[in-house]
Amino acid sequence: SYELTQPPSVSVSPGQTASITCSGDKLGSKYASWYQQKPGQSPAVVIYHDSKRPSGIPARFSGSNSGNTATLTISGTQAMDEADYYCQAWDSSFVFFGGGTKLTVL
Amino acid sequence: QVQLVQSGAELKKPGASVKVSCKTSGYTFNTYYIHWVRQAPGQGLEWMGRINPSSGATNYAPKFQDRVTMTRDTSITTAYMEVRRLRSDDTALYFCAREPGTQGSYFDYWGLATLVTVSS
Repeated sequence: SYELTQPPSVSVSPGQTASITCSGDKLGSKYASWYQQKPGQSPAVVIYHDSKRPSGIPARFSGSNSGNTATLTISGTQAMDEADYYCQAWDSSFVFFGGGTKLTVL
Repeated sequence: QVQLVQSGAELKKPGASVKVSCKTSGYTFNTYYIHWVRQAPGQGLEWMGRINPSSGATNYAPKFQDRVTMTRDTSITTAYMEVRRLRSDDTALYFCAREPGTQGSYFDYWGLATLVTVSS
C-alpha cells in the first residue's frame, strides 16, 4: 500500500502565501493532484498533473512535485481559500489520497 | 453541462447491503471512468475503486475487494456501487467521480454524495 502524508493543519494570514506538502515514496515520479473541499461540499480539483490548473481555478493556486514531495502553494491567500485540501496520486493501478490538510486563514 | 446525480440517503442495518447509483449526463458515458470515493464523518477521502463504463472492467482497492461490486447500465448512463455485509464503520458519504482517463489521472467532476448510515 502506498502512503501519502500531509500535515493535519496549516495556518496563514490573509494575503500571505500558504504551502501544503504531500510526501510519498518517489512521488515526484508520479503525477500529483490536489482537491479543495469546503464544509458540506464535494471535493473540487484545483491542481492536476502536478502543476496544471483547471479552468476557473484562480492563478494564485500553483503546484510542484519533485523527489518525494508535492507542494500546493496558494499565493495571496484569501478567506475563501479556507478549506480542507487533499493530495492524490496513483500507484500500481490504485488511487491514494493524503490524509488531508485543514487550511485556516486568520 | 456535465452532471453526476447520486441517489438519496440510505439507512441500513449491520449485515445488510446497499446499492448507490450515479446518473451521469452532459458527456459521452463510455469515454470516462467512474470512481467511487467515501468519506467517513470528520475523516478524509478513501478510494474504493473504479469502473470502465465501456467494458465494465473494474478494479477495487484491496480493502473493498470482497465486499464491493461496481456495475453500470450504459442504456441509462448510470453507474452503481454495492456494498455488502455493512458494518457501522461503513457509515460515510459516498461520492462518485469522473476520471478523464489520461496518465496519472484525476477527478474532474464529482457527485454530491450519498449518505449511507449503518445502524441497528
